[in-house]
Amino acid sequence: AIQLTQSPSSLSASVGDRVTITCRASQGISSALAWYQQKPGKAPKLLIYDASSLKSGVPSRFSGGGSGTDFTLTISSLQPEDSATYYCQQFNGYPRTFGQGTKVVIK
Amino acid sequence: EVQLLESGGGLVQPGGSLRLSCAASGFTFSSYAMSWVRQAPGKGLEWVSGISGSGGSPYYADSVKGRFTISRDNSKNTLYLQMNSLRAEDTAIYYCAKDTRYYDIYYMDVWGKGTTVIVSS
Repeated sequence: AIQLTQSPSSLSASVGDRVTITCRASQGISSALAWYQQKPGKAPKLLIYDASSLKSGVPSRFSGGGSGTDFTLTISSLQPEDSATYYCQQFNGYPRTFGQGTKVVIK
Repeated sequence: EVQLLESGGGLVQPGGSLRLSCAASGFTFSSYAMSWVRQAPGKGLEWVSGISGSGGSPYYADSVKGRFTISRDNSKNTLYLQMNSLRAEDTAIYYCAKDTRYYDIYYMDVWGKGTTVIVSS
């Protein structure tokens, strides 16, 4: 199975900060990566697909990048409502797998 | 409005069985692959199983292969997950999720609110 390792596991940042989360795949997955946001007690929401395509309706402060084994999710200017856990997911090989998650806390 | 509504969760003893259902509305159900994703208490997301729009090509995580069976009834716009030989580690919230493609499992753009499964004696 393809393993996805996210870093950091958690971070604390201030409103307006630029935040970057990394997802590393155990083997090359081209651009077959998605990012999700999950708030406590809620279902996950799709943010980014195909590594860098922004889902319609998602704020433009979210962006994704990378290909092969190394990927990033960037929040250009952190907002209070961005407090959540973020997960990457690969769709290059079976079984589909998720990263372990990165919890973002607002200072 | 696109909606997914899971049901069938509950408390079951180890070794027991449970069938989850996911009722879909607001989109052409048969045109999209579907998945089940679970989340154990305080843990991350785990993809469990997926199935193509036609009902063929089911896929499973290694942790459930041979115990869980995914299926769908396109005439009823409903996705199912038959869970047998349940273990304590199957305790989780189970989410139903719609894919963006027909044949294969890619990424999930619509999620249900989840149904809780507790495996305990």
